Amino acid sequence: GQNIDQPTEMTATEGAIVQINCTYQTSGFNGLFWYQQHAGEAPTFLSYNVLDGLEEKGRFSSFLSRSKGYSYLLLKELQMKDSASYLCAVNSGGYQKVTFGTGTKLQVIP
Amino acid sequence: NAGVTQTPKFRILKIGQSMTLQCTQDMNHNYMYWYRQDPGMGLKLIYYSVGAGITDKGEVPNGYNVSRSTTEDFPLRLELAAPSQTSVYFCASSLAAGGLNTQYFGPGTRLTVL
Repeated sequence: GQNIDQPTEMTATEGAIVQINCTYQTSGFNGLFWYQQHAGEAPTFLSYNVLDGLEEKGRFSSFLSRSKGYSYLLLKELQMKDSASYLCAVNSGGYQKVTFGTGTKLQVIP
Repeated sequence: NAGVTQTPKFRILKIGQSMTLQCTQDMNHNYMYWYRQDPGMGLKLIYYSVGAGITDKGEVPNGYNVSRSTTEDFPLRLELAAPSQTSVYFCASSLAAGGLNTQYFGPGTRLTVL
């Protein structure tokens, strides 16, 4: 089976940096997604990591370590609009099955 | 492009009633998915399809049925609604697998079963 763990909630200050961790256990790992979901809205794609290392995209960066079953999403220069849930999702198996974690609810405070 | 559209946006059902949640995508994506999301929880896969005429069960298929007669449409059917099916239902689509497996989500259908 698969197991994906993320912290349930986090709070950070506007302008600061926050790191949201995701650990996973799976067989046939293909890649890892991060999605953002504002309250009452649909998830939207942030990043997809296949290889080890850090990928930067503006204020958001995503890191993957396949050997450790570990990823994190790094948000810099936090803005109030970054308050949302962040979903980690693992792509695995020959049929490219995607399994979502329960998400981390981030609250950005002034 | 409208992307992924879902209807209705909201619905209240009585126990035992049936309904169909509609999902349409205009991106010519092969893969389509149905998820449910309970309050404060992650997304759970109900059914998915890798192309017209092909569907398969996800993690929580009981109480639901799907069909995929065209590339664009992927309706989800609830035959005998139960309170446990109160949830937000998201339809999603993706072009293919691997790095092309980025899923694009519809706005969701909020279903309450009383």
